[in-house]
Amino acid sequence: KNEVEQSPQNLTAQEGEFITINCSYSVGISALHWLQQHPGGGIVSLFMLSSGKKKHGRLIATINIQEKHSSLHITASHPRDSAVYICAVSGGGADGLTFGKGTHLIIQP
Amino acid sequence: NAGVTQTPKFRILKIGQSMTLQCTQDMNHNYMYWYRQDPGMGLKLIYYSVGAGITDKGEVPNGYNVSRSTTEDFPLRLELAAPSQTSVYFCASSRKMDRVVYGYTFGSGTRLTVV
Repeated sequence: KNEVEQSPQNLTAQEGEFITINCSYSVGISALHWLQQHPGGGIVSLFMLSSGKKKHGRLIATINIQEKHSSLHITASHPRDSAVYICAVSGGGADGLTFGKGTHLIIQP
Repeated sequence: NAGVTQTPKFRILKIGQSMTLQCTQDMNHNYMYWYRQDPGMGLKLIYYSVGAGITDKGEVPNGYNVSRSTTEDFPLRLELAAPSQTSVYFCASSRKMDRVVYGYTFGSGTRLTVV
């Protein structure tokens, strides 16, 4: 069973700061997902990665398959980026994703 | 295009009552999933389905049942509700190509309280 660890668990930063959230996993995967959940809200898929790097607006996700590690970066952070960011991995089978516990991010104006 | 639709959004049940959480998707995804999210914990898989007529247990199936009579619908049934089933429930769907699962889409969640 894959173990997914995220760090930090909580992060408070000032508007405009560069944010990094880390995710590590224990067993080889077919893909890694970064998800966003606003308070009381649903879950939105931000990225799915199997190698390299992806960018969408101010968000950048990278993965190092050999080191079993991924990072999510937010450039020029904004209060609307405040949310829980969740890392999840899939092993190529049909039995769903394995999730980290999430990183609670607060961006202060 | 609605994506994944879950109903109801909120529900309070008394111990021992039963209910069905509804989930429907309009993306023709063949894979569907039910997860529960407890405070401070990662989401846990309850049941999943790889297509109409096929379901299987996930990590935490006890106290729940599912059915998949059509591609679109994947209801989750709670029999004899218990306080331990107080949680937020998420339905999700995806498709599979070349052994890789794509297009993960989540519903907006159902917040269930058992008292």
